[in-house]
Amino acid sequence: GAGVSQSPSNKVTEKGKDVELRCDPISGHTALYWYRQRLGQGLEFLIYFQGNSAPDKSGLPSDRFSAERTGESVSTLTIQRTQQEDSAVYLCASSLGGVEETQYFGPGTRLLVL
Amino acid sequence: GENVEQHPSTLSVQEGDSAVIKCTYSDSASNYFPWYKQELGKRPQLIIDIRSNVGEKKDQRIAVTLNKTAKHFSLHITETQPEDSAVYFCASFSGSARQLTFGSGTQLTVLP
Repeated sequence: GAGVSQSPSNKVTEKGKDVELRCDPISGHTALYWYRQRLGQGLEFLIYFQGNSAPDKSGLPSDRFSAERTGESVSTLTIQRTQQEDSAVYLCASSLGGVEETQYFGPGTRLLVL
Repeated sequence: GENVEQHPSTLSVQEGDSAVIKCTYSDSASNYFPWYKQELGKRPQLIIDIRSNVGEKKDQRIAVTLNKTAKHFSLHITETQPEDSAVYFCASFSGSARQLTFGSGTQLTVLP
C-alpha cells in the first residue's frame, strides 16, 4: 500500500509569514508524529497524536508551532510568523498504534525561511 | 526525560570490513530500540529493531545487541558494502515519556 506522504516537498517563505505542512499517514495507522531535522542533525520530536486522545505537544519549541489532526487521517503542522531558525526538514511518521510500534517516515518537507 | 547518546559521529571502513555503532540510554523503563538508516536527502528507514525481552537480533548482515543492565545497545554491520554508506540513527522508546528519542546519528562511509 501507499506509504506516508507529505506536501509540499519543498517550501520557501519569507520571514514572518505563516506556513502549513501536510502529512497523510499510512491508512489504518492510528498514531502520527512530527519531527524536525536541522541540516546535519538528528530528529527532534515535536508532537504526537494517538487516536482520539489529547496530543502530546511536549516537543513543540514555541507557541508559533501548532498541529492538528482530523480523526485518524491527515495532519497539518502550522508555523506562524516563521523565523530563519525554523529552516529545516519537517518529517512526519505514522505507526499502527502506540509509540512503541514501528514508525514509518514520510519524505519530509524542506522548509527554507529567507 | 530520556537521553540517548550515539557514538561515533563519523565512521569510515573499508569495503568488506565490519562496522559497529553504539548507543546508550538513560531511562531504565525503555523497552523498544529501533535503528534507522537515512541516505542523503531521503527519509529515515527502519533497518532493524529490538525489544527489551531479547539480547540480540540478526537480519542477514545486520545485527543489534542489547545490554539492559548497562543500558546500551549496538548496531553491527558485517561485510560492509558501498551502498551501506548513510547516516544511521538509534532510538529508544521511553516508557515514562512515551516518546521515541533519537541519537544524534553516525555518518558511515564504506570505502571501495
